Amino acid sequence: RKEVEQDPGPFNVPEGATVAFNCTYSNSASQSFFWYRQDCRKEPKLLMSVYSSGNEDGRFTAQLNRASQYISLLIRDSKLSDSATYLCVVILGTGGFKTIFGAGTRLFVKA
Amino acid sequence: GAVVSQHPSWVICKSGTSVKIECRSLDFQATTMFWYRQFPKQSLMLMATSNEGSKATYEQGVEKDKFLINHASLTLSTLTVTSAHPEDSSFYICSARGTSSVGGHEQFFGPGTRLTVL
Repeated sequence: RKEVEQDPGPFNVPEGATVAFNCTYSNSASQSFFWYRQDCRKEPKLLMSVYSSGNEDGRFTAQLNRASQYISLLIRDSKLSDSATYLCVVILGTGGFKTIFGAGTRLFVKA
Repeated sequence: GAVVSQHPSWVICKSGTSVKIECRSLDFQATTMFWYRQFPKQSLMLMATSNEGSKATYEQGVEKDKFLINHASLTLSTLTVTSAHPEDSSFYICSARGTSSVGGHEQFFGPGTRLTVL
């Protein structure tokens, strides 16, 4: 079983749609959680951190459920520019804070 | 967010030559830097983790004699691909993590180096 699992997609949605991504992690020692966004042929960029209390930034909302060991990202009112691959990232609290990347979920927003 | 630069952004070289890629954290001190490789339409693959002043830790399957990593200062790490071959053609991305041990665990990525070996 992979340490961090994501639905690879692709998710094809129309502009204005709401789309949700889920990510599960296997190591209960995981300490920090992030969502990154990677555009084609570009480097990943930090989108937002994820907290148990939830974290909202404009149209983006991230949630963490420690009991079920999953993380979610909700995008409301999708824009064409949201098309990208969204990477779920988990940092273990042991062993030097090892970073584990999910394989990513591809999103295509169409007009 | 913090800024990480990478140089060169792209390089084309002949088979058998060595290529050096630099990764710099511009506005923070990076105790740990990471080197990744990404093939088209595939996910990031961690190659090695380097801590300033110590030897890099390589992931399984990554040849340390082929991919030489030096992390001589808190703002600079270099990756040298020795005797490059066409199968080494890929997108190489570095990332850096700051000195904070409480929170601030996020990594900031350089813009990547696209290597093409002919």
